[in-house]
Amino acid sequence: AQKITQTQPGMFVQEKEAVTLDCTYDTSDPSYGLFWYKQPSSGEMIFLIYQGSYDQQNATEGRYSLNFQKARKSANLVISASQLGDSAMYFCAMRDLNRDDKIIFGKGTRLHILP
Amino acid sequence: NAGVTQTPKFQVLKTGQSMTLQCAQDMNHEYMSWYRQDPGMGLRLIHYSVGAGITDQGEVPNGYNVSRSTTEDFPLRLLSAAPSQTSVYFCASSPTRVSTDTQYFGPGTRLTVL
Repeated sequence: AQKITQTQPGMFVQEKEAVTLDCTYDTSDPSYGLFWYKQPSSGEMIFLIYQGSYDQQNATEGRYSLNFQKARKSANLVISASQLGDSAMYFCAMRDLNRDDKIIFGKGTRLHILP
Repeated sequence: NAGVTQTPKFQVLKTGQSMTLQCAQDMNHEYMSWYRQDPGMGLRLIHYSVGAGITDQGEVPNGYNVSRSTTEDFPLRLLSAAPSQTSVYFCASSPTRVSTDTQYFGPGTRLTVL
């Protein structure tokens, strides 16, 4: 069955440092998509970055990059030069078309950026 | 474009009451879904739809009904509310069912069942 694991319930990082949020997934299907979302205290879900299982290069979007290690089934989010506004909940999600199009989420990591 | 809209933003129900959470999108997206978010549980899929007239169950469908009579609307019905259904509910949509499509989320509905 599909499974997304985020092992870090909470993290504290000093402003301007880089931070890596861990995500591992489990699927037996070759075709899937991986997503990261940010949820600030206001509650909305904000899409950050996407990685396809067949993509040869790691995805990047501004300060966000995805460290995709297919053999290890990990899709870690890297935020460079963290800012106070990065304090939020972060969710990893997977979409697997061979599993009835269901999109499942991990339990999230709460990131606190310290001034 | 309004994107994905949800109404109401907040709702308080008594046990046994019924209600419908509304979700609409104006982006002509085929795929729509409902999630509930509980502390420490992440987002869990309740029901989803890959197009008008087609719905299917997610991880936690019990106590909820859905229908998809139009592309735009995907209401979630609670027939007899229970305190265990106290949660924040998110509706989401994506253009199609392919794995590259990002999901766009509504602002959420905070439901309390007393």
